[in-house]
Amino acid sequence: DVKVTQSSRYLVKRTGEKVFLECVQDMDHENMFWYRQDPGLGLRLIYFSYDVKMKEKGDIPEGYSVSREKKERFSLILESASTNQTSMYLCASSLTYSYNEQFFGPGTRLTVL
Amino acid sequence: QKEVEQDPGPLSVPEGAIVSLNCTYSNSAFQYFMWYRQYSRKGPELLMYTYSSGNKEDGRFTAQVDKSSKYISLFIRDSQPSDSATYLCAMSTSGTYKYIFGTGTRLKVLA
Repeated sequence: DVKVTQSSRYLVKRTGEKVFLECVQDMDHENMFWYRQDPGLGLRLIYFSYDVKMKEKGDIPEGYSVSREKKERFSLILESASTNQTSMYLCASSLTYSYNEQFFGPGTRLTVL
Repeated sequence: QKEVEQDPGPLSVPEGAIVSLNCTYSNSAFQYFMWYRQYSRKGPELLMYTYSSGNKEDGRFTAQVDKSSKYISLFIRDSQPSDSATYLCAMSTSGTYKYIFGTGTRLKVLA
């Protein structure tokens, strides 16, 4: 079974703090994704990585950066957290470039005060 | 106009009912159509996947794609309380990593 794990289920941070969200997958998947999920807006892609050290911006990359130093690990960084980044953050991974099932982690509920 | 539209619900049905969940879309280039189920406080998990048009059945679940109408459906037969979840449709064009998700429909099956 593919397993995607995220470092925290719940996180509370203050405005201006630097925030790291970690994601690890154990199935040697090439692709990894970061989404945020908000009521009424669905899942929106923040960043995508198709290989180690490779990344592409998604639909809403502003205020975020990512790091992928190892194939199994993909980090989302909020350089200076703001209240409008309060959201559910979901990490996913998949095997190949084109269609392939995206496996999701359990999510991190981030609250920025 | 959103690329993918999905009624947010909530939809409440009695146990044993047939449930119909739907999405409409505007991009005729979509080729891959997925339905994900998301339980409360969990990540989405893939339920059904269909390529191009047609029907696909898996147990109590049937996915239908009508590309001429740009409309996809998920039917759940003999619905159970354990089916209570949010159902997300997702679509993708050929040769791309990118999924476009609907906003999700919250379903509650009452015992």
